[in-house]
Amino acid sequence: GENVEQHPSTLSVQEGDSAVIKCTYSDSASNYFPWYKQELGKRPQLIIDIRSNVGEKKDQRIAVTLNKTAKHFSLHITETQPEDSAVYFCAASRSGGYNKLIFGAGTRLAVHP
Amino acid sequence: SQTIHQWPATLVQPVGSPLSLECTVEGTSNPNLYWYRQAAGRGLQLLFYSVGIGQISSEVPQNLSASRPQDRQFILSSKKLLLSDSGFYLCASAGGGETQYFGPGTRLLVL
Repeated sequence: GENVEQHPSTLSVQEGDSAVIKCTYSDSASNYFPWYKQELGKRPQLIIDIRSNVGEKKDQRIAVTLNKTAKHFSLHITETQPEDSAVYFCAASRSGGYNKLIFGAGTRLAVHP
Repeated sequence: SQTIHQWPATLVQPVGSPLSLECTVEGTSNPNLYWYRQAAGRGLQLLFYSVGIGQISSEVPQNLSASRPQDRQFILSSKKLLLSDSGFYLCASAGGGETQYFGPGTRLLVL
């Protein structure tokens, strides 16, 4: 079955710096890759997603890149702000698999003013 | 857009007691529904998913069960809670596509 590994487990940056979180997946049939942000005590919220027919997607300060050959995808946050501090989860799923998401273990991002 | 409701928001239960958590979805029809558990400071573990009324698939053997009596209602149950059942239980819905949206969750503490 699918396995998703996420690195780093913790990331500390200064406000205004960029942050990059990387995930690798094992199932080459996976074709949908969402990223969720979870603030303390809250539900995970979708922040961006990408499908396998696209190499990069941007939404203001966040972007996701996908390398299908290497089976890895990354989240990039530019000009980080203290409110970006949260746990970020990557996930992967494939069509025909009931859209089951396989999640990475999460990255705790701390943005220091 | 879909709205997901979960109740109760928090629950403290003794070991050995029964459990019933409810999830309802508005704004979509025939969604795929999912139950996840998140232990403190940990990741998301898929427990059950359902693609239609009465159709339940289990991902992890355990003393929990799930039911889907109506199209937009998903229930998580247990006959006898264990200490290890403590956690944050999240219901998610994928209506008409791949994207899953999460409900607000139920925080369960088993003592």
